[in-house]
Amino acid sequence: QVQLQESGPGLVKPSETLSLTCTVSGASLSNYYWSWIRQSPEKRLEWIAYVSNSGATAYNPSLMSRLSISVDTSQNQFSLKLNSVTPTDTAVYFCARGSGYPTPTPFDFWGPGTLVTVSS
Amino acid sequence: DIVVTQSPLSLSVIPGEPASISCRSSQSLAYRNVDEYLDWYLQKPGQAPRLLIYLGSNRASGVPDRFSGSGSGTEFTLKITRVEAEDVGVYFCMQTLEIPYTSGQGTKLDI
Repeated sequence: QVQLQESGPGLVKPSETLSLTCTVSGASLSNYYWSWIRQSPEKRLEWIAYVSNSGATAYNPSLMSRLSISVDTSQNQFSLKLNSVTPTDTAVYFCARGSGYPTPTPFDFWGPGTLVTVSS
Repeated sequence: DIVVTQSPLSLSVIPGEPASISCRSSQSLAYRNVDEYLDWYLQKPGQAPRLLIYLGSNRASGVPDRFSGSGSGTEFTLKITRVEAEDVGVYFCMQTLEIPYTSGQGTKLDI
């Protein structure tokens, strides 16, 4: 059974960097795209970025200047870094697998999500 | 960005009755007149979204056949033939034709 698990700090100070890691078990990173998606208190889902096992990436243009996504195939993990955070980055962050290779979607497996609060 | 709009935003249904949710996009989600890049998800309280329908009308693995997706271009519909208690939650549609992928506001279904 494929499982994803997000990990990282639940509280980040404004202007600092939000760093999250998603550990994948039950599946190889190969032949899939791996995404980060967040959900603010307003509830709409916001796609952030994806990465493939080969390192191909795509970013949400509204966040791109502050974003970095990477993959570590040796650890079966992929990671997200979001710089210069503000309270508007407060959200539940999900990692998800894109199952439609060679297309990056749909998202068939998700992590349970982790709440990240940006506050001093 | 492609704007995705769902209606209604909330829905109260009697068990055994049908339900229907509409999703509209600001531009066509058709690719080469073959696939419609619109997916449906159900999110239960405290959980991650679960994939129900992909490419407009394809049920994901393990999804009961009471769920169906239809539509094309800019108009899509998710239908539940006979709502069951376990179907409560928030339903989202998401377009995956263009980056950034964007979702609707969500439709809350309760019994």
